[in-house]
Amino acid sequence: GQNIDQPTEMTATEGAIVQINCTYQTSGFNGLFWYQQHAGEAPTFLSYNVLDGLEEKGRFSSFLSRSKGYSYLLLKELQMKDSASYLCAVIDSNYQLIWGAGTKLIIKP
Amino acid sequence: GAVVSQHPSWVICKSGTSVKIECRSLDFQATTMFWYRQFPKQSLMLMATSNEGSKATYEQGVEKDKFLINHASLTLSTLTVTSAHPEDSSFYICSARGLAGYYEQYFGPGTRLTVT
Repeated sequence: GQNIDQPTEMTATEGAIVQINCTYQTSGFNGLFWYQQHAGEAPTFLSYNVLDGLEEKGRFSSFLSRSKGYSYLLLKELQMKDSASYLCAVIDSNYQLIWGAGTKLIIKP
Repeated sequence: GAVVSQHPSWVICKSGTSVKIECRSLDFQATTMFWYRQFPKQSLMLMATSNEGSKATYEQGVEKDKFLINHASLTLSTLTVTSAHPEDSSFYICSARGLAGYYEQYFGPGTRLTVT
């Protein structure tokens, strides 16, 4: 079966750095997405990785290791507005998007 | 670019009635549209995938006669919840994919359905 694992919930302090991990076992791999979803809203795109390595975009960075079936999303200089759920999703060999259950990130002052 | 709209953003209906939700890609042609359902504090659940001009592919456990999907054009897909019941109350989100060679899905803002 196909499986994506990410922690259910994480807590971090405003101004700090947090790393959200995602591991996957899927039938094939055509890329990995990270989405942010605030409560009651639709997901918004954060990043896309298809090659190994780190992609940096402002305060957010995403890392991928295909050999390990592993990715992480790194959030720096945390702000209260970063409190949201972060969804990891993998495109499998059939070009279907397989979603993780999401990680709820709570930012404390 | 790549904006997806949904209408209505929220709807309240009585049990037994039908509700239609529209999903439009505003500035690109969506060859594939996806319909998701999300219950409170749960992750997205893919209901069905639709390609323009063909029948939708439903995920296991999703009743195709209850959730009617029409993808009549490259910019519009509709989801009709027929004979709605309170357990159908949920957040319904559509997404669209259209850019050749790139698999990002662009999400609509979602429709919150409450069945009384």
